[in-house]
Amino acid sequence: GAVVSQHPSWVICKSGTSVKIECRSLDFQATTMFWYRQFPKQSLMLMATSNEGSKATYEQGVEKDKFLINHASLTLSTLTVTSAHPEDSSFYICSARQTDNYGYTFGSGTRLTVV
Amino acid sequence: TQLLEQSPQFLSIQEGENLTVYCNSSSVFSSLQWYRQEPGEGPVLLVTVVTGGEVKKLKRLTFQFGDARKDSSLHITAAQPGDTGLYLCAGERVNRKLIWGLGTSLAVNP
Repeated sequence: GAVVSQHPSWVICKSGTSVKIECRSLDFQATTMFWYRQFPKQSLMLMATSNEGSKATYEQGVEKDKFLINHASLTLSTLTVTSAHPEDSSFYICSARQTDNYGYTFGSGTRLTVV
Repeated sequence: TQLLEQSPQFLSIQEGENLTVYCNSSSVFSSLQWYRQEPGEGPVLLVTVVTGGEVKKLKRLTFQFGDARKDSSLHITAAQPGDTGLYLCAGERVNRKLIWGLGTSLAVNP
């Protein structure tokens, strides 16, 4: 089945620094990937849609200059949290879909803690 | 505005009991997907229902898509502690955008 690999699984960083999270589709090509944010015991909040070779589409209220998305290849999308603050601490998850006939495959998530 | 109402939000039951989780909307979806998520991990797809009235079974789990493709339910028979987790429903719009329910946090006590 389709596998999406997300790294790192957890990261602790200091306020003001930037953190990059990678999302790779291992056995399929993904022209579109999705980035979510999730708070404890809550549902997923879509942040942005990452499009290979073009600009990402951000959801309302998500700062595109703070959450930089790059989708340079058909198997890799990255999310960079710039100038991180403690309120950016959260669980970030990416997803992709192999074909139109299947649901979405999610990465294992990244727990970001900003201190 | 929450376009996909999922209930209950929390559920704590004893092993062996049955339960049903509901997802309701006033919008029509091209498909409805159910996911299960363990703490610290990403959601894992359980099933996708596409046709109105469709029923799918996955061992002790039964998924149903409403005739009008606006609602869905997940029924678990004889719940086990291993069923504990966060269950999420997501409706797919025609533009392929997923609308997520708030999730149901299920705890099955031995």
